[in-house]
This record gives sequence, C-alpha cells and structure tokens, in this order.
Amino acid sequence: NAGVTQTPKFRVLKTGQSMTLLCAQDMNHEYMYWYRQDPGMGLRLIHYSVGEGTTAKGEVPDGYNVSRLKKQNFLLGLESAAPSQTSVYFCASSLRTPGIGNTIYFGEGSWLTVV
Amino acid sequence: AQSVTQLGSHVSVSEGALVLLRCNYSSSVPPYLFWYVQYPNQGLQLLLKYTSAATLVKGINGFEAEFKKSETSFHLTKPSAHMSDAAEYFCAVSDPTSGAGSYQLTFGKGTKLSVIP
Repeated sequence: NAGVTQTPKFRVLKTGQSMTLLCAQDMNHEYMYWYRQDPGMGLRLIHYSVGEGTTAKGEVPDGYNVSRLKKQNFLLGLESAAPSQTSVYFCASSLRTPGIGNTIYFGEGSWLTVV
Repeated sequence: AQSVTQLGSHVSVSEGALVLLRCNYSSSVPPYLFWYVQYPNQGLQLLLKYTSAATLVKGINGFEAEFKKSETSFHLTKPSAHMSDAAEYFCAVSDPTSGAGSYQLTFGKGTKLSVIP
C-alpha cells in the first residue's frame, strides 16, 4: 500500500549544487505533479506530466527540470540550487478521470535546505 | 484564471466547539472544489470534494462542506472539534472545462486549525 513515495525525505545542499528528487507511484496513474510548499504560500505547482514522456510547466517552473521516462516515476531536478529553493517539495499523482473531479494523491514530502 | 481565498491563516476553537473554515473561489465556470488536510510533517490528504452533484458534501472525520454558487463559497464545517483535528487545511479548485488543466489544482494558502482543550 505504498501510494506515492518520494526520495530523499531530507537533504541539505550548498548553493550551486545539483540534485534530483525521485517520485514513484504504484497506482498506475497517468498524471503526476511536483509542488512546492512555502509558509503562507500554500502549494504551488512546479511542473506536471500528463503521461509517460510528456512534461509541462506549472506556476513556478524556473530553476527546475523534470523527466517522466517511465509512467510510474517523475523526477525533479535542480541543476544549480539557490537558497530560494529551500522548501518542502511534494509529489502527487492522479487518474485521468474527466467529469468526476480529480482526486490527487500526495507523497509525504521532501524537505530541501539550500545553504 | 481561477483562484482560491481562505479567510484566516489561523483559527482556534475549543474542543467540542463548531469548526468553520472559510473558502471563497473565483472561477469563470462552476468549478470542482476540494478540501485537503495536512498533519505535521505529512503530505496532504483529501477530506472531501465537490464535483457538481450534491451541494452539501460529506467527507471523512465528520467534516462537511456546502457549495454555494451565489456566494462563490465552499466553507468547511464540523459540528464538534476534536483534538485530533488540529492540522492545516487547504481549499483547492480546478476548472473542469480546461482540458488538461482540469487535472491541475490551484490551492489556497491554508488555514491552520488549533484545538484548545
């Protein structure tokens, strides 16, 4: 009963370093998302994917890249980390079910600190 | 473009008292609406959703919300607060007519609920 799994859960980076956050879902969902959560800002969509091999920009895509090489995985990359990217990152996924509302399932979050 | 406004970043209630968390939306079409709850150091969990069926929606843990089109509101209520309800609550909206965009959620900034014993 894994659902959406994110790794790593915690990471400290130095400014300019790169890293990749991995998201895996075992629900055969078509859609996957990366959000960031900052105090008083709610959740903001970084990038999303509507299927294997496709990605699209969300509300705050700058400084991030993503890839969806396999349906079950969605990777979020930071090429050159900046302190402004200190945040909690949430991966999520959902079925492609038009007309009945979209329930999005979230992972437990990845805490990233850039110093 | 759609947006969500949650009135009150912090709400405190006494145990056993009514919980009322406010959410107003802005959308050019009747939207889908959601309430999520986040417990400390955890991800978001769906409480309930409105998808144009019944306007009064019942969710988990005794919560319910009523869609009021005339007021563009989707307030979350629970008759009697429990200590375990202390968490942050997020209202979210999606546009069911926007194609691939209908699968995206726009979140409010959240309301942190404290329950006083």
